[in-house]
Amino acid sequence: KNEVEQSPQNLTAQEGEFITINCSYSVGISALHWLQQHPGGGIVSLFMLSSGKKKHGRLIATINIQEKHSSLHITASHPRDSAVYICAVKTSGSRLTFGEGTQLTVNP
Amino acid sequence: GAGVSQSPSNKVTEKGKDVELRCDPISGHTALYWYRQSLGQGLEFLIYFQGNSAPDKSGLPSDRFSAERTGGSVSTLTIQRTQQEDSAVYLCASSFRQETQYFGPGTRLLVL
Repeated sequence: KNEVEQSPQNLTAQEGEFITINCSYSVGISALHWLQQHPGGGIVSLFMLSSGKKKHGRLIATINIQEKHSSLHITASHPRDSAVYICAVKTSGSRLTFGEGTQLTVNP
Repeated sequence: GAGVSQSPSNKVTEKGKDVELRCDPISGHTALYWYRQSLGQGLEFLIYFQGNSAPDKSGLPSDRFSAERTGGSVSTLTIQRTQQEDSAVYLCASSFRQETQYFGPGTRLLVL
């Protein structure tokens, strides 16, 4: 069993839909990251959080430390949101352990 | 430039050859990370540098892999005697202390 599990692995949505991607982890962490990997391969850090909730534009990330669970929400999804979304947890030191990613496709 | 840069962007080499991959972090960033993403696989941590501290090498897959960071800035990842399973995208990231990581575009390595 991976230390970081994401669901779903693949997600197809229609433009405008509300999207949720989930991340569960089994180890103690100091922080959790949500990353976006574009079709061309570039990776962008969306959020780093250790408690509560963060919002940036149409993106919202939440984390429940007791339940070892985080969610990434996208409101009013758009085709340009199509990408792989990756959850990563910071464990010992500063190394990150990554989930397998969620491939999101938003159709117009 | 303002972002993390990596070179080369693509590298094709023959099995058994040595390769060097370069990363230029964002100026002022104290932490530098190397990751690997094999085809169809998730991201994998390789090594982490923070200031003048000893690097965290716990993710290096074998002793054929090594990395150094000179002057607290540029880093080089070296793979000796490359194998086909080393084919992957090698990504570098930097951050100020342990804050948000900024990723470079990666080096696509193909070992024939």
